Amino acid sequence: EVQLLESGGGLVQPGGSLRLSCAASGFTFSSYAMSWVRQAPGKGLEWVSTTSTYYADSVKGRFTISRDTSKNTLYLQMNSLRAEDTAIYYCAKDDASGSYFHSWGQGTLVTVSS
Amino acid sequence: QPVLTQSPSASASLGASVKLTCTLSSGHSSYAIAWHQQQPEKGPRYLMRLNNDGSHIKGDGIPDRFSGSSSGAERYLTISSLQSEDEADYYCQTWATGIRVFGGGTKLTVL
Repeated sequence: EVQLLESGGGLVQPGGSLRLSCAASGFTFSSYAMSWVRQAPGKGLEWVSTTSTYYADSVKGRFTISRDTSKNTLYLQMNSLRAEDTAIYYCAKDDASGSYFHSWGQGTLVTVSS
Repeated sequence: QPVLTQSPSASASLGASVKLTCTLSSGHSSYAIAWHQQQPEKGPRYLMRLNNDGSHIKGDGIPDRFSGSSSGAERYLTISSLQSEDEADYYCQTWATGIRVFGGGTKLTVL
């Protein structure tokens, strides 16, 4: 069974940084593209980033996606955070073709506020 | 890049059927999509991939009550024999090289 467990969320001031982690299990981590998707309070889903180096325009140049295959862990380094980055951040495993989100985590909340 | 349009809300009675629509933007009518369900206070769940010919691949454990179909630029999700746990937000999603796109979501109310 695929399991994705996000961590690292919290309260951060505008301009600050945060690193999210997603621990993956139940599949061959290195064989699949992985993504981050976020959801601002009361809003819909917004794609953020996909391995290897695909980013939404709203985060390009501020966020960096990476993975450690030895630890089966996906990361999202978030710098220069803004109030509008406040959201629940979900980790997702792509399908075999790297096109859509096939499995989802439960999310971690990031709040950017002074 | 493709744009997906969904109605913000839909409603249907317990035990009835409902058909949700996702419309692909001009020039992208051949694109496949995926449907995702998000129940209140939960993370999303993958329901199915839906191709432009109406063929679909459902996720593990998705009941037969959920089915997909296509017509032109429209992609449909039909839920039959509605149950209370089907009350949720439903998102369509597509992709192109280097990007992923979501529709705005449809909030389904089961009456």
